[in-house]
Amino acid sequence: AQSVTQPDIHITVSEGASLELRCNYSYGATPYLFWYVQSPGQGLQLLLKYFSGDTLVQGIKGFEAEFKRSQSSFNLRKPSVHWSDAAEYFCAANAGGTSYGKLTFGQGTILTVHP
Amino acid sequence: EPEVTQTPSHQVTQMGQEVILRCVPISNHLYFYWYRQILGQKVEFLVSFYNNEISEKSEIFDDQFSVERPDGSNFTLKIRSTKLEDSAMYFCASSDGRGQETQYFGPGTRLLVL
Repeated sequence: AQSVTQPDIHITVSEGASLELRCNYSYGATPYLFWYVQSPGQGLQLLLKYFSGDTLVQGIKGFEAEFKRSQSSFNLRKPSVHWSDAAEYFCAANAGGTSYGKLTFGQGTILTVHP
Repeated sequence: EPEVTQTPSHQVTQMGQEVILRCVPISNHLYFYWYRQILGQKVEFLVSFYNNEISEKSEIFDDQFSVERPDGSNFTLKIRSTKLEDSAMYFCASSDGRGQETQYFGPGTRLLVL
């Protein structure tokens, strides 16, 4: 079955430190991949997405993600975390093709940022 | 920047009652979705809607659920007879295409069934 896994439920980093949030997918073919962020009381905001081509994708707010086919991974990174990055982060995938856009989400990773 | 809006932000209802959750998608979008997130669990796909009909639905989306686009702007999710396990955050989303197109999410409606 198609699935997305985020192994880390909760990550704590210090402000200014680097960040990597992990995401693995299990699909028959490479899906379309997305990272969303949810701040308290807000909807899900798209950070970045990958469809094809360059495996390093740049997004908003200084985030980037790297697609690695050999590892079925799409990890999110940020070189220097700001306190405002504290939120919950969701990795999601869409099978493409005949899919009508159904997104399959990972469990989410809650990011806490210490001053 | 255009955004998806949802009303109400919170709803409390008694088990067995009908609820209607409302969404206003982004105006030029053609594809509409409902997702839900039970507390502590993943965001789950419920249904997608295109060209005035359901295009895909999950196993969760049984006969108790229905969706409608009653006019040119609103998109609703109705739960006919709510159960305790329907308590969740319900997100509406819209996109101007499928597949690789970005889905824009609303802030959600927190539904509590007592």
